[in-house]
Amino acid sequence: DAGVIQSPRHEVTEMGQEVTLRCKPISGHNSLFWYRQTMMRGLELLIYFNNNVPIDDSGMPEDRFSAKMPNASFSTLKIQPSEPRDSAVYFCASTQSSNQPQHFGDGTRLSIL
Amino acid sequence: GDSVTQMEGPVTLSEEAFLTINCTYTATGYPSLFWYVQYPGEGLQLLLKATKADDKGSNKGFEATYRKETTSFHLEKGSVQVSDSAVYFCALLGPEGSQGNLIFGKGTKLSVKP
Repeated sequence: DAGVIQSPRHEVTEMGQEVTLRCKPISGHNSLFWYRQTMMRGLELLIYFNNNVPIDDSGMPEDRFSAKMPNASFSTLKIQPSEPRDSAVYFCASTQSSNQPQHFGDGTRLSIL
Repeated sequence: GDSVTQMEGPVTLSEEAFLTINCTYTATGYPSLFWYVQYPGEGLQLLLKATKADDKGSNKGFEATYRKETTSFHLEKGSVQVSDSAVYFCALLGPEGSQGNLIFGKGTKLSVKP
């Protein structure tokens, strides 16, 4: 079975550029989560969707960050403009229902120079 | 609000040593509890889970028992291997209706030396 698929696996770009991270959840999963992981702050929940609707975006650090889920099989996390402090590993996860464990993608390692 | 506290690492053990990683939680109601493992360069993988008090989750030689009286879910393994080197996360999931939002601990890095 295909798991959660994230792209790209690695992204290196200069500050000020727009960055778009992509996620394809497991088919049939109704909830999707975006996390950020850094050494300093650990694993942080940024936003999550239920049935394509954003439920809680209180973890989104600033207006530079935005996330969309246009359909059940695709989500994007966009940073515009990017800054060096956005460098982190970004994970996407999905789950079939609210009482089931989440399945994680392999993450996107983002470096902003 | 709900929270998870796990022992800070890093933890360094020799192969075949006994492992305990402590995890305690604060939650309203009766959450489900999980341990996730993250191997280098990979995403988090579910290791084991327990959904009610006194349940024991187990997988790959790891065990954890849901202790409601002490609000704990400590991870144990009787004999660790080098391949167990990873970061371990304790997490809780609120009761039905909580939208599936996992609350994670900060993670404990385990290094096993041959």
